Amino acid sequence: KAGVTQTPRYLIKTRGQQVTLSCSPISGHRSVSWYQQTPGQGLQFLFEYFSETQRNKGNFPGRFSGRQFSNSRSEMNVSTLELGDSALYLCASSFASGAPDTGELFFGEGSRLTVL
Amino acid sequence: AQKITQTQPGMFVQEKEAVTLDCTYDTSDPSYGLFWYKQPSSGEMIFLIYQGSYDQQNATEGRYSLNFQKARKSANLVISASQLGDSAMYFCAMRGHNTNAGKSTFGDGTTLTVKP
Repeated sequence: KAGVTQTPRYLIKTRGQQVTLSCSPISGHRSVSWYQQTPGQGLQFLFEYFSETQRNKGNFPGRFSGRQFSNSRSEMNVSTLELGDSALYLCASSFASGAPDTGELFFGEGSRLTVL
Repeated sequence: AQKITQTQPGMFVQEKEAVTLDCTYDTSDPSYGLFWYKQPSSGEMIFLIYQGSYDQQNATEGRYSLNFQKARKSANLVISASQLGDSAMYFCAMRGHNTNAGKSTFGDGTTLTVKP
């Protein structure tokens, strides 16, 4: 079955602009989470959506937001871009059955954002 | 709060030899899962292996095994018979079983280089 699809793969923006990234999870997966990966900070959890509701949020400013649609596809938005927002943004989906077992994440290839 | 520590920024191994990547963790959750992911240069994170905190036996998946020592809070990944395609970044991660599926805590990663 198809994996997690993220678009766009690469993008370049300038400071002050805003950006929207898209993620299509694996069919049947209801949980979509977003991570920011930078060389200095590693992988940082942004937020998680489940059934169109945000149920977890990391320590990021309000400029970072997201949403999930009824078909489980998710978007994240970053407004008023700063140089430090340059990163690889990874989306991950999970079946999220609720059982206290495995629950591994399935990642997309990421969207690499460069802010100039 | 959860914390993952990977103390080896980079590792080298000769092709066909075994290598151990270190991971220690800290958590207050009584029940949790430990994961290892591989990230090739393409950026996509690939799930490798899972260990539950109450599993009596160490997890194995093909050439991957997890050396789980609960009392020492360590979850080292062992790759046997290294192949050139194993060259990648490896991340140790964990999630409390009371934590939603999408929110995992990751270590800073270890870059593994397999030499021919």
